[in-house]
Amino acid sequence: GAVVSQHPSRVICKSGTSVKIECRSLDFQATTMFWYRQFPKQSLMLMATSNEGSKATYEQGVEKDKFLINHASLTLSTLTVTSAHPEDSSFYICSARRTGTGTEAFFGQGTRLTVV
Amino acid sequence: DAKTTQPPSMDCAEGRAANLPCNHSTISGNEYVYWYRQIHSQGPQYIIHGLKNNETNEMASLIITEDRKSSTLILPHATLRDTAVYYCIVSESYNTDKLIFGTGTRLQVFP
Repeated sequence: GAVVSQHPSRVICKSGTSVKIECRSLDFQATTMFWYRQFPKQSLMLMATSNEGSKATYEQGVEKDKFLINHASLTLSTLTVTSAHPEDSSFYICSARRTGTGTEAFFGQGTRLTVV
Repeated sequence: DAKTTQPPSMDCAEGRAANLPCNHSTISGNEYVYWYRQIHSQGPQYIIHGLKNNETNEMASLIITEDRKSSTLILPHATLRDTAVYYCIVSESYNTDKLIFGTGTRLQVFP
């Protein structure tokens, strides 16, 4: 089946630095990808919709200048957490769906970000 | 906001069927019912989805009521590895349609 892969799976960074997370669709082209954030014991919260070749669409309350999204190709979207702070520590997950109707979404394995 | 309501937790004995309910009374005609599960510290795993007919695959069965306002996910023979949070989501099915997660049901399978 289709696979969505994230890298890295775990990252620790210093406060004030930026971190880039990659999301790849391995066996299908994804014109749209989605980024989620999950805090401990909470559900997934949609952050933004990543659109190939155009600007991302951010959910209400998500700072677009802090969470930079680039979707430069049909198989790769990146999320950059800029000037990270400890409160940005979270589990970040991406997903994508095949083009067409009646399709399911596939999720990456997630990236655990810890800001120290 | 999520358009589904699920019980926060359920228990099930190993080897028995686990029946997880979901209410989606405001579902529209174009929306599918999707089920995912998330095991601790992993990305969600797709289980099954359906529009109006009952569906079955190697993992589970999905029973959707005739009025489509509720559904039940059935794991026929639960194992300890089925312990996870199960999410029921309604969404249209195009690749541009986002999935909004509710709080899900935490299923605990015990020996």
